[in-house]
Amino acid sequence: DAGVIQSPRHEVTEMGQEVTLRCKPISGHDYLFWYRQTMMRGLELLIYFNNNVPIDDSGMPEDRFSAKMPNASFSTLKIQPSEPRDSAVYFCASSPDTAEAFFGQGTRLTVV
Amino acid sequence: AQSVTQLGSHVSVSEGALVLLRCNYSSSVPPYLFWYVQYPNQGLQLLLKYTSAATLVKGINGFEAEFKKSETSFHLTKPSAHMRDAAEYFCAVSGLGRGGADGLTFGKGTHLIIQP
Repeated sequence: DAGVIQSPRHEVTEMGQEVTLRCKPISGHDYLFWYRQTMMRGLELLIYFNNNVPIDDSGMPEDRFSAKMPNASFSTLKIQPSEPRDSAVYFCASSPDTAEAFFGQGTRLTVV
Repeated sequence: AQSVTQLGSHVSVSEGALVLLRCNYSSSVPPYLFWYVQYPNQGLQLLLKYTSAATLVKGINGFEAEFKKSETSFHLTKPSAHMRDAAEYFCAVSGLGRGGADGLTFGKGTHLIIQP
C-alpha cells in the first residue's frame, strides 16, 4: 500500500488566494483526519470524517476553512481566502477504526 | 476531554546513553496512548501504542514505554541512543479508547538531540 498520499507537498500562495489541499487515504480506512502543525500551537486536529461524513469540525479555525470528502478515496481541505497566519504544515491521516492513525507526508503551506 | 504534557521541549543525550522522554496525560476515560516520531520534512510514524493490554509496550527501533496509571504517565525509553534517533517525538492520547474514533490529542513534542 502506498500509504496516505497528500498533494501538493509544498504550496506558496499570495494572501487572499484560494488554496486547496488534497488527500488520498489508505484504502479500506473508515476514518480520515486533517491536522495542522505550527511551531506555536503544535499539532491540532481540524476535522475528521467517518465513512465520508464529517463528524467533528470543532477544530476548524474559521469559516475560511472548509473540508470535503466526496468519496472514500479523496478529501480536500480548502482555505478561502488565505492569510499569512494560515502558513503551516497540514497533515492528513487515516485510520481503519483501530487504535492507530497513519499520516501522510504533509503539505507545507506558505501564504505571503 | 484529554490532554498531554511532554516535559522538555529539547532533550540531548550522548550516543549510546539512555533515552528518556517524558509524557503525562489527562483523560476522563481509559486512554489509548501513542508515541509518534517525526523526522525532518516527514510525516508522523507510529513508534508504539498502549491499548489497555500489557503496561510495558515495545515498539520499533528499540523503543519502549510503560503505562503507569497511578502516575498518569507514559514515558518513552531506549537503552542506547543512536545518531539516527535524532528527531521530534510526540506523545498522543485518544479519549474514547479507539485511536481512530475521535482523533488524537498531541503533546507539544520533544526534540531529541544525539551528541556524538
